[in-house]
Amino acid sequence: EIVMTQSPATLSVSPGETATLSCRASQSVNSNLAWYQQKLGQAPRLLIYSASTRATGIPARFSGSGSGTEFTLTISSLQPEDFAVYYCQQYNPWPPSITFGQGTRLEIK
Amino acid sequence: EVQLVESGGGLVQPGGSLRLSCAASGFTFSSYWMAWVRQAPGKGLEWVANIKQDGSEKYYVDSVKGRFTISRDNAKNSLYLQMNSLRAEDTAVYYCARDGVPAVTVFDYWGQGTLVPVSS
Repeated sequence: EIVMTQSPATLSVSPGETATLSCRASQSVNSNLAWYQQKLGQAPRLLIYSASTRATGIPARFSGSGSGTEFTLTISSLQPEDFAVYYCQQYNPWPPSITFGQGTRLEIK
Repeated sequence: EVQLVESGGGLVQPGGSLRLSCAASGFTFSSYWMAWVRQAPGKGLEWVANIKQDGSEKYYVDSVKGRFTISRDNAKNSLYLQMNSLRAEDTAVYYCARDGVPAVTVFDYWGQGTLVPVSS
């Protein structure tokens, strides 16, 4: 099983600043990596797929990078609505496997 | 507007069974892979199972293999999860999700979730 490890567990950043979240895979997932945002009491929302492609309707301040085992989600010019929990997810085509990281909580500093 | 509405959750005893349903609307259901993803209280997300458009391929996380069965009825635009031999560790909110981006397995629409507490 591919294990996804996110860091840090909690990140405190001030509005208007930039947040950098990390995700590491236990083995290469190439660019098969997605990022989701989840607010309290809500379903997750797809932000990024294929490591760096923004999903429909996602603002340009969200960007993803990386390949292989190391990935980063960068959120620039943080808005109040961006404070939430963020999850990475790998999708290995064969054998089919889908695993999520444990999440990073982005909180207001 | 894409909508996914889960139902069927509720308190069940260990060893019991439950069938979850997901009613889909606003898109051509038969054209998409679909999935169940769960989230234990206060915990992260865990993919449970997914199913191909015509139901010919199904995949499961190891922890539910042999106990859970995913299925779909394209005529009714519905997705199902039959859960047997339930355990306390199956307690979670269960989300129905659409695998909506071509050539990648990511979930672009989610339902609101249905809670399944497993307890005596």
